Amino acid sequence: DAGITQSPRHKVTETGTPVTLRCHQTENHRYMYWYRQDPGHGLRLIHYSYGVKDTDKGEVSDGYSVSRSKTEDFLLTLESATSSQTSVYFCAISEMPGTGGYTFGSGTRLTVV
Amino acid sequence: GQQVMQIPQYQHVQEGEDFTTYCNSSTTLSNIQWYKQRPGGHPVFLIQLVKSGEVKKQKRLTFQFGEAKKNSSLHITATQTTDVGTYFCAGPRVGVAGGTSYGKLTFGQGTILTVHP
Repeated sequence: DAGITQSPRHKVTETGTPVTLRCHQTENHRYMYWYRQDPGHGLRLIHYSYGVKDTDKGEVSDGYSVSRSKTEDFLLTLESATSSQTSVYFCAISEMPGTGGYTFGSGTRLTVV
Repeated sequence: GQQVMQIPQYQHVQEGEDFTTYCNSSTTLSNIQWYKQRPGGHPVFLIQLVKSGEVKKQKRLTFQFGEAKKNSSLHITATQTTDVGTYFCAGPRVGVAGGTSYGKLTFGQGTILTVHP
């Protein structure tokens, strides 16, 4: 969807290196989320944000950190990438929980070798 | 913790056949959402159900929310090749100590639909 972009779209990195994924939105939505998608596991929440500088952990947050210094951008950092973090990462935005669904970005396919 | 289970995991149908996927939650849900993800794509929001026993239709798609608000189904009539993809249900995650969930969703594992022409 046009209002949310993720970068990069694809990345290959080496084990032990830090990696940052970016999610950028132009919808001025308050809520932003990072999910990872793996076969057999569906979508699992990593971290989320409910406002600028307001973030919290999801169900699979170990090894990840996030930052949100302005409304438009939500960054996901893998502090020291491991092979288990090879996945497809989706960012999502929501205007008002309970009033409608998420809008997802196109995803980042990350491979850790 | 809260779980959302979906069955079946895979479904192969011939074009023109009907398809149904079922979603069951371990907890009562305030609402349930459905998403579709085309192969290689990202999930796209389809619909949200809120009321107990609610039924909504979108062309050939019929969505139901159970009376107890713990289960839901998506039924597609006369499938077409354009229906191919993975269908996810999702429910709000329960907040800690009854607090707000901030819109966090728990997703089912999804049902992968293949339609043979």
